[in-house]
Amino acid sequence: EVQLLESGGGLVQPGGSLRLSCAASGFTFSSYAMTWVRQAPGKGLEWVSGISNSGDSTYYADSVMGRFTISRDNSKNTLDLQMDSLRVDDTAVYYCAKGGEYQLLQNWFDPWGQGTLVTVSS
Amino acid sequence: DIQMTQSPSSLSASVGDRVTITCRASQSISRFLNWYQQKPGKAPNLLIYAASSLQSGVPSRFSGSGSGTDFTLTISSLQPEDFATYYCQQSYSTPLTFGGGTKVDIK
Repeated sequence: EVQLLESGGGLVQPGGSLRLSCAASGFTFSSYAMTWVRQAPGKGLEWVSGISNSGDSTYYADSVMGRFTISRDNSKNTLDLQMDSLRVDDTAVYYCAKGGEYQLLQNWFDPWGQGTLVTVSS
Repeated sequence: DIQMTQSPSSLSASVGDRVTITCRASQSISRFLNWYQQKPGKAPNLLIYAASSLQSGVPSRFSGSGSGTDFTLTISSLQPEDFATYYCQQSYSTPLTFGGGTKVDIK
């Protein structure tokens, strides 16, 4: 069974940093692209970032470009999201999700983790 | 960026009703369109991928169609467990984008 378990969420002040992690199991992690999607309270889904299976290609939403960094460790089956210069509007539940085999594009997200809440507030 | 517009944003329906949700892309995305269902407090769940392929384990009352810029998700006979919010998502190009969602509630 494929499982994704996010961790690292919490309360942080504006301008601060946080690192989210996603532990994957039940599939050949190194063969699949991975992604982060967030959902602000009461709002819709917003794609944040994605990474190819090898980690060679990374992609970001305009809203987080230059502030967030996605990475993966295929030896540990983990996906990370380093979030710097956090803003109040980054407050959301952050989900990791399994993407397509090898590439992010022309594929879909399945399954998703349970999510981790990030709150940016003073 | 490709904008995804869903309609309606919400609808009320009864058990047994046929429900159709539409999703329009701001430019052609071929058939690179996925549909997700999300229930309150839960992670989204993939229903349909590549416009019309039913994800394993998803009931056959769900179906998807369309190509280019116009897509639809149809629930042939609404069941109590289908009351949820539905999102479309394009995977044609980055940044990947979602529609605003359609909330389906009980009439």
